[in-house]
Amino acid sequence: AQTIHQWPVAEIKAVGSPLSLGCTIKGKSSPNLYWYWQATGGTLQQLFYSITVGQVESVVQLNLSASRPKDDQFILSTEKLLLSHSGFYLCAWGRLGVYEQYFGPGTRLTVL
Amino acid sequence: GEQVEQRPPHLSVREGDSAVIICTYTDPNSYYFFWYKQEPGAGLQLLMKVFSSTEINEGQGFTVLLNKKDKQLSLNLTAAHPGDSAVYFCADDTNAYKVIFGKGTHLHVLP
Repeated sequence: AQTIHQWPVAEIKAVGSPLSLGCTIKGKSSPNLYWYWQATGGTLQQLFYSITVGQVESVVQLNLSASRPKDDQFILSTEKLLLSHSGFYLCAWGRLGVYEQYFGPGTRLTVL
Repeated sequence: GEQVEQRPPHLSVREGDSAVIICTYTDPNSYYFFWYKQEPGAGLQLLMKVFSSTEINEGQGFTVLLNKKDKQLSLNLTAAHPGDSAVYFCADDTNAYKVIFGKGTHLHVLP
């Protein structure tokens, strides 16, 4: 069975500090991977997707970047956090040619 | 671009009552939709996928209808119970790499 793990579970950071959030998929080779940001109040915004190692496509950047260093790993990062980066970050995976996505448990980010 | 309007944003029902959430989409070429459920502090749980070729789908305690003529997708929870309390999202996944979500419906089922 596939499992998706996100780390950290929660993070409190200062404005201007760097950030790195991670996502790992186990039990599935070559998944499509996705990053979403969820504002307080619920709206979901897709940020990035990746079909293969080393390739990442941006949907909305929000002064963030993403990388896929390994087949099963997706990283979201920024060198300088803004207050507007606060929210809930969700990673999801999907299979090639299959539309449904499966979401991780999320990371709660608070920027002060 | 494609937009998905979801309503209502908040919905309170009594235990045992039905609850209906509606999403209206704009792209007539859209044909692949999902409903997700999100409990507090958790990720999204896939409830149901809807293809344009299948207009009615049934799950455990709910029915999803797709009205292509009116470009509407609805989730009907029959006999809601407190465990159904969550945020529900519809999503247009016709473009597999760029999913468009509705803004969510906060459902509260009162005992």
